[in-house]
Order: sequence, then structure tokens, then C-alpha cells
Amino acid sequence: GENVEQHPSTLSVQEGDSAVIKCTYSDSASNYFPWYKQELGKGPQLIIDIRSNVGEKKDQRIAVTLNKTAKHFSLHITETQPEDSAVYFCAASPKAAGNKLTFGGGTRVLVKP
Amino acid sequence: DTEVTQTPKHLVMGMTNKKSLKCEQHMGHRAMYWYKQKAKKPPELMFVYSYEKLSINESVPSRFSPECPNSSLLNLHLHALQPEDSALYLCASSHPGGMTYEQYFGPGTRLTVT
Repeated sequence: GENVEQHPSTLSVQEGDSAVIKCTYSDSASNYFPWYKQELGKGPQLIIDIRSNVGEKKDQRIAVTLNKTAKHFSLHITETQPEDSAVYFCAASPKAAGNKLTFGGGTRVLVKP
Repeated sequence: DTEVTQTPKHLVMGMTNKKSLKCEQHMGHRAMYWYKQKAKKPPELMFVYSYEKLSINESVPSRFSPECPNSSLLNLHLHALQPEDSALYLCASSHPGGMTYEQYFGPGTRLTVT
């Protein structure tokens, strides 16, 4: 089955700096890669996703890049703000997995004012 | 609207109790999911319903019994749970089908088994 590794496990940045979280996956059949943000006491919130036919996707201050050859994808947050502090999860899903997501271990991001 | 609602928010139950968790969505999604999340860990898939039929059971113990009464509702019936079952239980929904669609999560039910 699919295995997703996520790094770093914790990330502390100064407000206004950029944050980068990296994930690698094992199943070359995976073709869908969402990113979720989970704030304390809440459910995961889908913030951006990318499919395997696209190399990069942006939405305001967040962007995701995908390298299918190397089997890794990354989340980039620019101009970080205190409200970006949360746990971020990457995930991967093979097309034939019946909508089954395999999550990375999570990254706790702290944005210091 | 991408809202999935879950009730109750918090639940404390003894090991001999029977309780149910409820989930509702009105996005027209025909796939619904139950996940379990322990502290500082990612969500773990438990069950998937597609078109109101159970399509994936991730070898979950029988003390957890899912039910999908209609396309908008998903229940998780709990019976004879163990303290290690204490966790955040998350419901999610998406479109079903051959490609993978976005999954939207509810806020979760925080379950404590005493």
C-alpha cells in the first residue's frame, strides 16, 4: 500500500517568512495529493490539492509543487501570519484506491509574531 | 457550502454503554467516511460508504458499527468500547467515482471511554 512521509515534524518561523513542508510517497500510481490544515480542536480543512497531471498550483499565499519522477510534493506558505499556526497534513491517493487517502505524519507550524 | 456537521461534540461513555455518533452533509456527496484520530497523529481511515453501501472496512473491530441511512447521514454505533478507543472521530464526505475527489471533514466528536 501507499506510504507517505512528511518533514519536518515541527517548524517555527518568524511572521512574514516563508514555510516549506515536504512529503514523499511510495506508490507511483498515486495521482491526487491534498493538503489539510488542522487547528486545535477542529477537523482538518482542505487548503489546496494537486493532481498528477499538474506540476504546480497556487492559491494566494500557498502553493504546492509536485515532482512525479522523484515522488515528492511540497507545500509553500509565503508571508506567514500567526493564523497560519496549525498542524498541516499531506496525503496521497492512488486512482484505484476508492478515494482512500494515506496521510503523512503531520507538521506542527508555529508562526511567531 | 462545504460543511459537514457532527454531533455530539464531546462524548464520555463507560465500557458497557451503547452510544452513537452522527454526521450530516448537504453537499450532494455520495461518499462518506469515518476516521479515527489520536492525539498528534494523522487521521486513520475506518470506513467508507459509497452510494449508501459500505465499500471499505479497514479491519475495524466489531464494537464499531457504521450505518448510512441515506445519502446525507452517516452514523457510527459504539458498543463495549475500550479506553484505548478514546480519540477524535472525524466524518468526511466527497463525490464518489473513478477519480479521487476532494474530501471535506467535519469538526469531529471527541470521545472519552472510561
